[in-house]
Amino acid sequence: QKEVEQDPGPLSVPEGAIVSLNCTYSNSAFQYFMWYRQYSRKGPELLMYTYSSGNKEDGRFTAQVDKSSKYISLFIRDSQPSDSATYLCAMNSGGSNYKLTFGKGTLLTVNP
Amino acid sequence: GAGVSQSPSNKVTEKGKDVELRCDPISGHTALYWYRQSLGQGLEFLIYFQGNSAPDKSGLPSDRFSAERTGGSVSTLTIQRTQQEDSAVYLCASSLPAGVNNEQFFGPGTRLTVL
Repeated sequence: QKEVEQDPGPLSVPEGAIVSLNCTYSNSAFQYFMWYRQYSRKGPELLMYTYSSGNKEDGRFTAQVDKSSKYISLFIRDSQPSDSATYLCAMNSGGSNYKLTFGKGTLLTVNP
Repeated sequence: GAGVSQSPSNKVTEKGKDVELRCDPISGHTALYWYRQSLGQGLEFLIYFQGNSAPDKSGLPSDRFSAERTGGSVSTLTIQRTQQEDSAVYLCASSLPAGVNNEQFFGPGTRLTVL
């Protein structure tokens, strides 16, 4: 079993839809959870950064962490064509553990 | 510049040749990381530098891979005797010292193609 599982999609939605992206993980030591957005032929861009369980909201984006279920989510409200990208979840246990473990990414297309 | 920069953006080389990839981290970031992104494989950690400490090389796939960081800033990843399986996007990231803040900021990557 891979440490982080992420459905690669592709996921295609109409403009304005609510998008839900998810990752599951197996390492209970993970404490820090990130979502990166990667446009084609660009580097990953940090979108959301959360610590431990709970929700964090930033504009149209909400990150949710459920450590009891080892499940994290990213919700995008009122999706826009400019949101079309690959979304990568990443996590580590923090402290001296700096290596990020990534999911394989979900390719999202928002159609106008 | 404001972000992490990498050069070259693209590199095409022949099997067996050596290549050097360069990374300029964000000013003030003492931690520097190299990752590799292969098609269908996701991102995998290669190496980590923090200040003057010995680097963590645990992710390097073979002894053909090496990296150095001069003056605590610019880093170079070297791949010797390149193989076709080395074809990937090599990404550099930087951050404040691990343990202070985990937010890693990535550069645009170098796309390496080994013919």
